[in-house]
Amino acid sequence: GNSVTQMEGPVTLSEEAFLTINCTYTATGYPSLFWYVQYPGEGLQLLLKATKADDKGSNKGFEATYRKETTSFHLEKGSVQVSDSAVYFCALRVKGEYGNKLVFGAGTILRVKS
Amino acid sequence: NAGVTQTPKFRILKIGQSMTLQCTQDMNHNYMYWYRQDPGMGLKLIYYSVGAGITDKGEVPNGYNVSRSTTEDFPLRLELAAPSQTSVYFCASSYPRTDGGEKLFFGSGTQLSVL
Repeated sequence: GNSVTQMEGPVTLSEEAFLTINCTYTATGYPSLFWYVQYPGEGLQLLLKATKADDKGSNKGFEATYRKETTSFHLEKGSVQVSDSAVYFCALRVKGEYGNKLVFGAGTILRVKS
Repeated sequence: NAGVTQTPKFRILKIGQSMTLQCTQDMNHNYMYWYRQDPGMGLKLIYYSVGAGITDKGEVPNGYNVSRSTTEDFPLRLELAAPSQTSVYFCASSYPRTDGGEKLFFGSGTQLSVL
């Protein structure tokens, strides 16, 4: 089946530390991959995406590379800020019977301390 | 732009009651989705729709119903509320892109408690 596995949180870092949140997936075919972010009290927002192998998605200093050989899409940021504290969701898009649908991971809580 | 609007934001139901979660979008998106978010469980797809008149089940459809009579509206119906339906519900819409990507626009969520 189709599934997404994320590293368990919470991840607690000091400001300006390097961030990695691991994400691996299983899917039939060649899915598109996404990272979404949910700030406290808000809905989800698209952070970045990659639609094919070796693509690198980037936004707001975050990056993730679509690795087909390891079925991974790890999220990285070189220097986190307190404002990055949020829940991060990895997701893949697969074809349903009538159209596309997104399958999400469980989410990883990130806490950044000043 | 309003984007995706969900109502209500909060609701408490008694076991066995029914209610409809409203969702509307003003972006003319064909695709719309309902997800529930349980702590530590991520987002689970309940139902989705690829256009007016077309709906399909997601991963956890039991206990819910949907309809899509217009492009803008995608209400989610709970007929006999159960404690297991206590969750945060997110509606979303999207459009397919020529580059194969897809941007999902989420509503702000509905926090539902069934007691």
